[in-house]
Order: sequence, then C-alpha cells, then structure tokens
Amino acid sequence: DGGITQSPKYLFRKEGQNVTLSCEQNLNHDAMYWYRQDPGQGLRLIYYSQIVNDFQKGDIAEGYSVSREKKESFPLTVTSAQKNPTAFYLCASSIEGAFANQPQHFGDGTRLSIL
Amino acid sequence: ILNVEQSPQSLHVQEGDSTNFTCSFPSSNFYALHWYRWETAKSPEALFVMTLNGDEKKKGRISATLNTKEGYSYLYIKGSQPEDSATYLCASPRNEDSGYSTLTFGKGTMLLVSP
Repeated sequence: DGGITQSPKYLFRKEGQNVTLSCEQNLNHDAMYWYRQDPGQGLRLIYYSQIVNDFQKGDIAEGYSVSREKKESFPLTVTSAQKNPTAFYLCASSIEGAFANQPQHFGDGTRLSIL
Repeated sequence: ILNVEQSPQSLHVQEGDSTNFTCSFPSSNFYALHWYRWETAKSPEALFVMTLNGDEKKKGRISATLNTKEGYSYLYIKGSQPEDSATYLCASPRNEDSGYSTLTFGKGTMLLVSP
C-alpha cells in the first residue's frame, strides 16, 4: 500500500540535544511538508520541499532543519535552538505543490516531548 | 498570513442528527479550498478539494458547498454516526515567495457523535 511513514511515533529529547524525525513516502509525490500541531492551534507549516535538493522555510522554521536528498525522504531535525519543541509533528506529501489544488496525504505523526 | 477560520470549535450531537460547520477564508485570489477529516490516533484524510464557486461535492453522507465570492464553505453531515467523530479541518492555499503554494489550515471543528 502506498503511503507516508513517520518514525518514531514517540520521541523524547534531552535539553541541548538535536533529534531527527523521519518521513518516508512511496507515493511518488514531488512535494513534501512538515507541520507542527500545538493544543488549540491549527497545523503550522515548518518547512516544505517541492523537488529534490530544494526546500523552503514555512511560518515557524526557526530551530528546525530539513534535507531532501531523495524524492522519498524528507527528515526533520529539531535542533537545540528550538526552545519549545514539545508538540505533535505531521509530515505530508502531495503530487505537486505549485498550485496547492491537489490533496495532501499525511503520515501518522510523531509526538516529541522534552525529558 | 492568511486567516482561515472555522466554527464552531466543537460540536456534540446525537447519532442520527444532521450537522454542519463553517470554514471562512479570504475570497480574493481564490483558487482552492481543502477539507480534511482527522480521526483520533489516525492521520488526516482528504475529503474534498473544491475549486469552483457554487460547487457541491459529496462523499457518502458528507457533502460540502463553496461560495468563493463571500469566502465560505459549509460541510454537512447527514444522519451523523459515531464513526463520524473526528476533527474536521479546512485549508486554503496561499502563494509563497518561492513561487509555490502552501496550505494555511484552520484550527478545526471537533465533532463528537454520541450513540
């Protein structure tokens, strides 16, 4: 079955530590996205990528980094510079992202907590 | 930043009730409106992507209408069932400096259907 796989499901970060959230898709989609969800807030865009080796900052990119070395993979690193990383993180993909009139497909998410 | 507003924030209905909720979005430069259903412990799932003013889309007991001139969309659920319990998200595209489009999500309407 085609889909998006996020891992791990739960992740704990110590102070000053960088952690990486994995996102893999086998839908052959060009565009991939990372969102963050906090209680009472809508999904907020962290980073997005429309093609391999290219990505752009979203609304809340500070303290995060990404890479897009392969079409299938878009890992998100939460760096120690992100002072409030506790949240639920969702990865998504779409066939293309030029006009955002294609639906996005989502993974099951990763919940990140601070130890 | 685009403002996408959803109301009500939450809704509790009895099985068999019909219900509806609203998504408001900026009407200028419109080209699409997305609806997603997000059940607890699952990933968000696309319901509809609507592009034409006056459009009505249907999926089983769920339907949606679109008014691009006044900037709103209604989602209707006929004869709600407990399995309809979920958070319903709407999202509107916005153009980025990168030349691509991304989605701005509303905070969602949380629906609980009691048996």
